[in-house]
Amino acid sequence: GAGVSQSPSNKVTEKGKDVELRCDPISGHTALYWYRQSLGQGLEFLIYFQGNSAPDKSGLPSDRFSAERTGGSVSTLTIQRTQQEDSAVYLCASSLTALNTEAFFGQGTRLTVV
Amino acid sequence: AQSVAQPEDQVNVAEGNPLTVKCTYSVSGNPYLFWYVQYPNRGLQFLLKYITGDNLVKGSYGFEAEFNKSQTSFHLKKPSALVSDSALYFCAVRDGNSGNTPLVFGKGTRLSVIA
Repeated sequence: GAGVSQSPSNKVTEKGKDVELRCDPISGHTALYWYRQSLGQGLEFLIYFQGNSAPDKSGLPSDRFSAERTGGSVSTLTIQRTQQEDSAVYLCASSLTALNTEAFFGQGTRLTVV
Repeated sequence: AQSVAQPEDQVNVAEGNPLTVKCTYSVSGNPYLFWYVQYPNRGLQFLLKYITGDNLVKGSYGFEAEFNKSQTSFHLKKPSALVSDSALYFCAVRDGNSGNTPLVFGKGTRLSVIA
């Protein structure tokens, strides 16, 4: 596609349930990023992929959070046993492999845990 | 590890006046610096970047930013603000000497341009 695509755009889930968020990066982009933006807050880095490997997982808030990327393309972010504090907008971005290229963002998935 | 500071949560400016949104950074290698804008209910959009070369970088919508190595700053500027510039602005940095570091963002600065 022309841009970064994220699905679903909105997700309401009950506390304790697992959720899966999907990111489809721009074709040919080898770097992929996940961020979290809480209401009125900045961008919190979660995890970064270069190809299928994740050199930096330091931002994942707890072991309930995991992410994978297969085929150097689509990535899924999984949150197990969701808590109310997980409610936020989850943003995905991708960029070409070179360090000096800008990242392009998707529209995000708004997650609400009730 | 790299980090970005945006010292102002909110900047207010009158339409037609010059605007500045401040950003300072910390990185062990060469800084690759970026500015993004987020309009209400829309995704983040790239504005401009500094990688190397001229310290003054020009970007979209008439914005520019000046890289100052001695002050480790990369402030965003525009000579004449428009009401439509009102949005949330994010500065970001990446370590240009490492292929395994992420793009790290500041907390954002909300710009309000008043007619």
